[in-house]
Amino acid sequence: NAGVTQTPKFRVLKTGQSMTLLCAQDMNHEYMYWYRQDPGMGLRLIHYSVGEGTTAKGEVPDGYNVSRLKKQNFLLGLESAAPSQTSVYFCASSYSVDTGAEAFFGQGTRLTVV
Amino acid sequence: GIQVEQSPPDLILQEGANSTLRCNFSDSVNNLQWFHQNPWGQLINLFYIPSGTKQNGRLSATTVATERYSLLYISSSQTTDSGVYFCAVEPGRGGSFKTIFGAGTRLFVKA
Repeated sequence: NAGVTQTPKFRVLKTGQSMTLLCAQDMNHEYMYWYRQDPGMGLRLIHYSVGEGTTAKGEVPDGYNVSRLKKQNFLLGLESAAPSQTSVYFCASSYSVDTGAEAFFGQGTRLTVV
Repeated sequence: GIQVEQSPPDLILQEGANSTLRCNFSDSVNNLQWFHQNPWGQLINLFYIPSGTKQNGRLSATTVATERYSLLYISSSQTTDSGVYFCAVEPGRGGSFKTIFGAGTRLFVKA
């Protein structure tokens, strides 16, 4: 049971480039989330999804887009990367009959925009 | 929105000491979790504890939902306990499914 897997683990982008972060979960969870963590701070919610085909904005959605075409996958896109988006990105999932609302996190993606 | 405050922000312990970390939240919550972020950045689930008391080895947690706080106890601390401890809540109003994090308590355990 892999849990929550994020791809890639590290990435360096130039300003203006685009990229997509992939999050995959194998726990049949309904809810999925993308967070960013900046140095010395807690995690802030970017976007989340309460089910396949649905997405919603979190606290800091600007500059990001998401898609949930399949229940097990949640994609985070940066259309035109900016240095302010340098951060560590965490994906999480929660809610199933077995695990309830307990959230499980991926290992994080360290993104640097130069 | 709901506010989640953790205290203390920083804590230095001698190996073997005990400590209590606190999480206060400003509104009702459906769920509350404690996480440990190790020095490599990995987030580790410690407790899922919307109410009551749970224990896991040297760690235990208590949430008093009616008084809007949760406590994480670390006994006989070890150097491997170092890292950041986060409290995260799911607000209880408006059908929100968002998990909101506190700023964390940064713990350093000296050998």
